[in-house]
Amino acid sequence: NAGVTQTPKFQVLKTGQSMTLQCAQDMNHNSMYWYRQDPGMGLRLIYYSASEGTTDKGEVPNGYNVSRLNKREFSLRLESAAPSQTSVYFCASGRDSYEQYFGPGTRLTVT
Amino acid sequence: AQRVTQPEKLLSVFKGAPVELKCNYSYSGSPELFWYVQYSRQRLQLLLRHISRESIKGFTADLNKGETSFHLKKPFAQEEDSAMYYCALSGREGTALIFGKGTTLSVSS
Repeated sequence: NAGVTQTPKFQVLKTGQSMTLQCAQDMNHNSMYWYRQDPGMGLRLIYYSASEGTTDKGEVPNGYNVSRLNKREFSLRLESAAPSQTSVYFCASGRDSYEQYFGPGTRLTVT
Repeated sequence: AQRVTQPEKLLSVFKGAPVELKCNYSYSGSPELFWYVQYSRQRLQLLLRHISRESIKGFTADLNKGETSFHLKKPFAQEEDSAMYYCALSGREGTALIFGKGTTLSVSS
């Protein structure tokens, strides 16, 4: 039982490049989430998916897209990376909205 | 508007001293409140939730609806308590958690 896994762990991009962050959970949770963590800003929700087939914007969705591929997987795509997207990205899942289990994070640097 | 406020960015205490990490919230309804902890370079993990009324690692938190607060307390801090602590709120089922900006707790000997 791996819980929530994320790939990659680290990534460096040049401005304008694109990439997809992968997230998978093996706990049969309905809800999945993407957050970014920045110093002094805490955790901010980018997008979430309350169930397979649905996605909703969070607090900071601009510059990102998501795909809920199936119940297990929820990916986050940066179409044209910008330095402002340098951050640590966390994926989380939960049976409902009340308790979330987090992945180990992806450290992204955009130069 | 739904909001979670953690007024302290950093709280430094000595080992054995009492700790109180403050959390205030704004929500029109009956929210669920949580404390999450992130130790250095580790993933966030749930520390406790108000509905369970547990004491985890010596920490407790009481929901005060009158003051809209959910402060985290521990009577005697330990060095291993040093971490980032996030207060979070959940409203309707199916919606995401709202996190505060976090408080770094530093416990020194």
